[in-house]
Amino acid sequence: AQSVAQPEDQVNVAEGNPLTVKCTYSVSGNPYLFWYVQYPNRGLQFLLKYITGDNLVKGSYGFEAEFNKSQTSFHLKKPSALVSDSALYFCAVRDISGGYNKLIFGAGTRLAVHP
Amino acid sequence: ETGVTQTPRHLVMGMTNKKSLKCEQHLGHNAMYWYKQSAKKPLELMFVYNFKEQTENNSVPSRFSPECPNSSHLFLHLHTLQPEDSALYLCASSPQSGSAYNEQFFGPGTRLTVL
Repeated sequence: AQSVAQPEDQVNVAEGNPLTVKCTYSVSGNPYLFWYVQYPNRGLQFLLKYITGDNLVKGSYGFEAEFNKSQTSFHLKKPSALVSDSALYFCAVRDISGGYNKLIFGAGTRLAVHP
Repeated sequence: ETGVTQTPRHLVMGMTNKKSLKCEQHLGHNAMYWYKQSAKKPLELMFVYNFKEQTENNSVPSRFSPECPNSSHLFLHLHTLQPEDSALYLCASSPQSGSAYNEQFFGPGTRLTVL
């Protein structure tokens, strides 16, 4: 079965510093990976996805993610964190069991960016 | 928001009540989803509808009853719920459930409290 793991419940970063939110995956076949962000009292917003091609994927709000096949990881990164980046971040992997597309989400990582 | 609306945003109900959650998407998508988000747990996929046909029922108790009258509207009918059903219920849509590349677009959610 497809799965993702987010090993950190919370990540704390000072504003202006680089940030990394970790995600590892377990899939059979090619991995299709996604990152979403959830701000307080809001639904999830799509940030970026990896389907194929370049291992470094660029997304919304200055975020990027690096696909690493040998380490089965898809970590989310940003060179310089903003206080407004504070939110809940979810990694997800496509699952096509049953013959149709669905997403399997990780438990989420809370990012806190301090001034 | 992202073109997916949910009403109501907040709902408090007793265990003997019957209520319904509504989701509407204005994106022309063909697939719609219900998720349950509980504190400190991964998002749980509940139901998937693809072209108005239910293609996934993820072992959800019968006290939750989905309805998809057309590709733009999705309902979740609730009756005789339990306090442990209190959670944020998220609706999502995507262009086509069977496509590997399509991200899902989420509504803001309904915060449900069962007393």
